Amino acid sequence: GAGVSQSPRYKVAKRGQDVALRCDPISGHVSLFWYQQALGQGPEFLTYFQNEAQLDKSGLPSDRFFAERPEGSVSTLKIQRTQQEDSAVYLCASRGDAASGRWNTGELFFGEGSRLTVL
Amino acid sequence: AQKVTQAQTEISVVEKEDVTLDCVYETRDTTYYLFWYKQPPSGELVFLIRRNSFDEQNEISGRYSWNFQKSTSSFNFTITASQVVDSAVYFCALSERDNYGQNFVFGPGTRLSVLP
Repeated sequence: GAGVSQSPRYKVAKRGQDVALRCDPISGHVSLFWYQQALGQGPEFLTYFQNEAQLDKSGLPSDRFFAERPEGSVSTLKIQRTQQEDSAVYLCASRGDAASGRWNTGELFFGEGSRLTVL
Repeated sequence: AQKVTQAQTEISVVEKEDVTLDCVYETRDTTYYLFWYKQPPSGELVFLIRRNSFDEQNEISGRYSWNFQKSTSSFNFTITASQVVDSAVYFCALSERDNYGQNFVFGPGTRLSVLP
């Protein structure tokens, strides 16, 4: 697609429900990032994929958070047993990188985010 | 470790005023990249500029200009003759070399309000 697409744009969940957030990156982009943005804060890194490989998940706040990108394109961020503190905007970004193993320096292209509200 | 500081939480100016948004960063690496992003009310982060650590030349793009000073670890952003459409949250970000090259850290942002 022309840009990074995220769905749903808005999600309201009751505490304890599971949610799944989808990211469709720019076609051909190797790198995919997930960020969490709390109200009034900057984006905080959650996890990073290079193609289908999840190379860094150090930012995931708990084992209730899980991300996958099985075919190296679309990614899903899943949050199990949601808690109120999970309420935030979840941003996905992609980057058109060169060969793996290199430090890639290009800018990230962001989607509009998925706003999760946990009641 | 990296850190990006944007000391100004919120700024309000009247249209046509000039405004400077400050960004101070911390890194032990000699090679790194700095970025500015704009986040309008729609929520999507829009890329504005990328600057590598070896290029200290100031850059101007229309009403936007950037002042990179390694000596003070600052990468400030100035909007000249501000307009209402400039109202947004602006983020400074730092990318530093690491094992996987995915390290991209944002500052807390500065909310700019341009009043008519």
